[in-house]
Amino acid sequence: GENVEQHPSTLSVQEGDSAVIKCTYSDSASNYFPWYKQELGKRPQLIIDIRSNVGEKKDQRIAVTLNKTAKHFSLHITETQPEDSAVYFCAALFGGNEKLTFGTGTRLTIIP
Amino acid sequence: ETGVTQSPTHLIKTRGQQVTLRCSSQSGHNTVSWYQQALGQGPQFIFQYYREEENGRGNFPPRFSGLQFPNYSSELNVNALELDDSALYLCASSPSRDRVYGYTFGSGTRLTVV
Repeated sequence: GENVEQHPSTLSVQEGDSAVIKCTYSDSASNYFPWYKQELGKRPQLIIDIRSNVGEKKDQRIAVTLNKTAKHFSLHITETQPEDSAVYFCAALFGGNEKLTFGTGTRLTIIP
Repeated sequence: ETGVTQSPTHLIKTRGQQVTLRCSSQSGHNTVSWYQQALGQGPQFIFQYYREEENGRGNFPPRFSGLQFPNYSSELNVNALELDDSALYLCASSPSRDRVYGYTFGSGTRLTVV
């Protein structure tokens, strides 16, 4: 079925270090993979996304890599800052482009 | 601001009651998707509306229903509320049903069922 697995569920990183969050998906036909950041009590906000015709995409300190053969994609945050602390969700587009399936989330804590 | 607005922001209902949540899509967007986010979980797809018709549905019972109006705003209705329906309900709009790339969520409605 349609499934997205996300690891780790919690991650603590020293300020200035890098953080990596990984996701795997079940449907090889998926072609769109967004990442969302959600702060406490707020809506998920899109921070970066990638389509299947691209292997890597970068936006300042944030990058996403995609390995379609292995059906996994990762979020990389470099030079982490306290404001990066939040819950991060990966997602994949399934089923004729109408439905995003989300991972279970990673709670990232940046230690000052 | 994303241009997607939801109302109300918070709501408390009693088990067994019915509730209607509203979403105004971003200007120029004809597709609205609804998601349920329970505490500590990722959003779960409820259904999508395109040009006033349902276009895809997740694993939610029939007591979850929706509408889309000619101006592309949308309603989510939930009948016979259960305690497990307590969640943040999010909607997102997109320019068309096959262009959901990059869509963003409204601020959500937090529903509490007691």
